[in-house]
Amino acid sequence: AQTVTQSQPEMSVQEAETVTLSCTYDTSENNYYLFWYKQPPSRQMILVIRQEAYKQQNATENRFSVNFQKAAKSFSLKISDSQLGDTAMYFCAFMKRPSNTGKLIFGQGTTLQVKP
Amino acid sequence: GAGVSQTPSNKVTEKGKYVELRCDPISGHTALYWYRQSLGQGPEFLIYFQGTGAADDSGLPNDRFFAVRPEGSVSTLKIQRTERGDSAVYLCASSVDRDSPLHFGNGTRLTVT
Repeated sequence: AQTVTQSQPEMSVQEAETVTLSCTYDTSENNYYLFWYKQPPSRQMILVIRQEAYKQQNATENRFSVNFQKAAKSFSLKISDSQLGDTAMYFCAFMKRPSNTGKLIFGQGTTLQVKP
Repeated sequence: GAGVSQTPSNKVTEKGKYVELRCDPISGHTALYWYRQSLGQGPEFLIYFQGTGAADDSGLPNDRFFAVRPEGSVSTLKIQRTERGDSAVYLCASSVDRDSPLHFGNGTRLTVT
């Protein structure tokens, strides 16, 4: 069975600075997706970034980038130039590939507060 | 276009009552998912529909929980004889297919008193 662990329940960062959220996972699968989702108070889960395990290059989306270390089973999210709108709960998630069900396994989440 | 819509946004019910939670996915999305999110936790998978059929219901906690998607679009999650432990946010998501990114709704917060 796969597990996803986020060891930082809460983080804070000053506006315009950089913050890194940690995620580790455990799996015996070789091919999978990893995701970071953002959940603001509206409760909607918003996809931030996706990484394919067979790609060595780290995914980036504007101010968001990941550090994917497959051997260490580590998948951290870096947010550059933090903005007040980045305040939210962030979840790391795993999906096996190919997936018969598209099922996501989520971590416990990290609450990020961006301070003005 | 319109996103995933869930109704009601909030539902308060008494222990032992029956509730229905509705999910209206993005038009054309064949895959539909229900997740449950307890306070301070990550979402946990409940059930996956491909079209009208439940392809994976391994996450349903017990037989008080049931979900349907009769026409391959709108889905209803049904909970019988509700218990206080059922209190959570119930999230619905849809995707073009099972390998595509999931689009989530805003969830229904269920409170059982």
